[in-house]
Amino acid sequence: DIVMTQTPLSSPVTLGQPASISCRSSQSLVHSDGNTYLSWLQQRPGQPPRLLIYKISNRFSGVPDRFSGSGAGTDFTLKISRVEAEDVGVYYCMQATQFPQTFGGGTKVEIK
Amino acid sequence: QLQLQESGPGLVKPSETLSLTCTVSGGSISSSSYYWGWIRQPPGKGLEWIGSIYYSGSTYYNPSLKSRVTISVDTSKNQFSLKLSSVTAADTAVYYCARRMDVWGQGTTVTVSS
Repeated sequence: DIVMTQTPLSSPVTLGQPASISCRSSQSLVHSDGNTYLSWLQQRPGQPPRLLIYKISNRFSGVPDRFSGSGAGTDFTLKISRVEAEDVGVYYCMQATQFPQTFGGGTKVEIK
Repeated sequence: QLQLQESGPGLVKPSETLSLTCTVSGGSISSSSYYWGWIRQPPGKGLEWIGSIYYSGSTYYNPSLKSRVTISVDTSKNQFSLKLSSVTAADTAVYYCARRMDVWGQGTTVTVSS
């Protein structure tokens, strides 16, 4: 199985300031079709997960442009340009390049 | 707007079979563009992919659960289902259904206890 490792575990952020989350995979996420199936999901307290970013850097419908994804191969980053109160929650990276699909352990974003 | 809703018993006894259904509304489950899956989240923990089913009927399961899992589709009802056999307390979790990880249900809590 591909292991997804996220850092940090927790990220206290001041409102209006940026936040960054890293995700590293145990092997390359480049699929044989040339795509890299790395996604980012947000889970607000008491809510189901919500897709933010797919294929490294594509924002899903309705996702604010303060969220951006980058990376390649085995190293990926989610950035929030200016954290808002509604961004509090746990963020997961997820790979769908190879079965079984696997998730990172999650990064909790909270307000200082 | 596509919506997914999980349903099924909230309490299952150890060694029995957990059965959940995901009802899809606002779109067809038969679309060739998508696959449908189940994911679970134990209390206070992270996400675990259980398995997925494609429009072709092909299924893929997490090897850690493969011997106990069955996912099936009922296109006439626009639903897909999860069966997990021989459950233990370790299977207690919130169970989510999702379309290709981009649209999720609200989740349903399943507790395994006698």
